[in-house]
Amino acid sequence: NAGVTQTPKFRILKIGQSMTLQCTQDMNHNYMYWYRQDPGMGLKLIYYSVGAGITDKGEVPNGYNVSRSTTEDFPLRLELAAPSQTSVYFCASRRQGAGHQPQHFGDGTRLSIL
Amino acid sequence: AQTVTQSQPEMSVQEAETVTLSCTYDTSESDYYLFWYKQPPSRQMILVIRQEAYKQQNATENRFSVNFQKAAKSFSLKISDSQLGDAAMYFCAYRSTTGNQFYFGTGTSLTVIP
Repeated sequence: NAGVTQTPKFRILKIGQSMTLQCTQDMNHNYMYWYRQDPGMGLKLIYYSVGAGITDKGEVPNGYNVSRSTTEDFPLRLELAAPSQTSVYFCASRRQGAGHQPQHFGDGTRLSIL
Repeated sequence: AQTVTQSQPEMSVQEAETVTLSCTYDTSESDYYLFWYKQPPSRQMILVIRQEAYKQQNATENRFSVNFQKAAKSFSLKISDSQLGDAAMYFCAYRSTTGNQFYFGTGTSLTVIP
């Protein structure tokens, strides 16, 4: 069981470039989340989705876009990369239903903007 | 937004000893869920333990247990018989029963001394 898979694991971008961070899960989870983790900090929610076709902003959405065309995939798009977006990005998913269901996380993508 | 506070940026414990990590949170809701996640150097986020606020009994998972004080809005994690593999960042997280977002603290870095 692969769980939550994120690609790539590492990436270096130049300022102004764009890229998409991929996230896919094979657990048929309705809920999916994107977080960023800056050094020495906790996780900040960027966007989340409660199902295919439904997305919503989290705490720090500026500079990012998401889409959720299928249950499995939840890509995160950076349109004009800025140094402030240098961070580690985590995707997570959660089962719908019993509220105490925890999130399952991917291994993260380390992104540097130079 | 709810606030989750971990006031101990770093903690250390001797192998085989017991350590307690602190977490407090701010909410006006009466029902919610609390979680502790472990993040080893591999960066993977791993669920350690979870607690439902309506349950008075403290959750326990093997060597890990919590001290949930609802009135004080406190949710500390106790690790007994500490092992070298327990060394990691530990994050406390909150989610209300009516919301989809998880709120994370800034983490506590735990060092286990052989």
